Amino acid sequence: KAGVTQTPRYLIKTRGQQVTLSCSPISGHRSVSWYQQTPGQGLQFLFEYFSETQRNKGNFPGRFSGRQFSNSRSEMNVSTLELGDSALYLCASSWDSSAEETQYFGPGTRLLVL
Amino acid sequence: AQSVTQLGSHVSVSEGALVLLRCNYSSSVPPYLFWYVQYPNQGLQLLLKYTSAATLVKGINGFEAEFKKSETSFHLTKPSAHMSDAAEYFCAVSGGSSASKIIFGSGTRLSIRP
Repeated sequence: KAGVTQTPRYLIKTRGQQVTLSCSPISGHRSVSWYQQTPGQGLQFLFEYFSETQRNKGNFPGRFSGRQFSNSRSEMNVSTLELGDSALYLCASSWDSSAEETQYFGPGTRLLVL
Repeated sequence: AQSVTQLGSHVSVSEGALVLLRCNYSSSVPPYLFWYVQYPNQGLQLLLKYTSAATLVKGINGFEAEFKKSETSFHLTKPSAHMSDAAEYFCAVSGGSSASKIIFGSGTRLSIRP
């Protein structure tokens, strides 16, 4: 089975712009979660989607949003980019939304905001 | 609320020596516990997970971890370190009422000396 794929892998944007990141989960997985990884804050949960519905949301401003499509692919959008949004954004998929399910991570999208 | 504390942001051991990475958790409900490894410029890969089936959990690459409820610990060990074990290791907990799907520790960078 193919793993979790994320596109693009690298992205450079300027402050005030918006960005959309894409994640394709492992085939058959219905849950997709997004995380932000920074040297200062570590790994922080952004949100989870299951069957096209947002199940959980972390403590991030409304500029961060996401959605999931009927094929379980997910997109994450950040509007009005700030310098502090520079990070590695990781997507993870799992079979379902239960807490004990293993999450399989993609390689991440590295976003640099100038 | 759930939380995870990883003691030691950086651990250095000699090749062939015992690897011990410490993780303590806090949870008001029986937790699910995970260890993930992250190699440079990659996503996270699951090493092992505890889901209450057995307190000693064996994972990939010779790693294992023991769940000790009385000590609220889930330390990761490997009897003999290999150069390829150099990476960042994250302990994580899930299963509580927190809005976050999973909570990660701050990570421990493992270095292997020849």
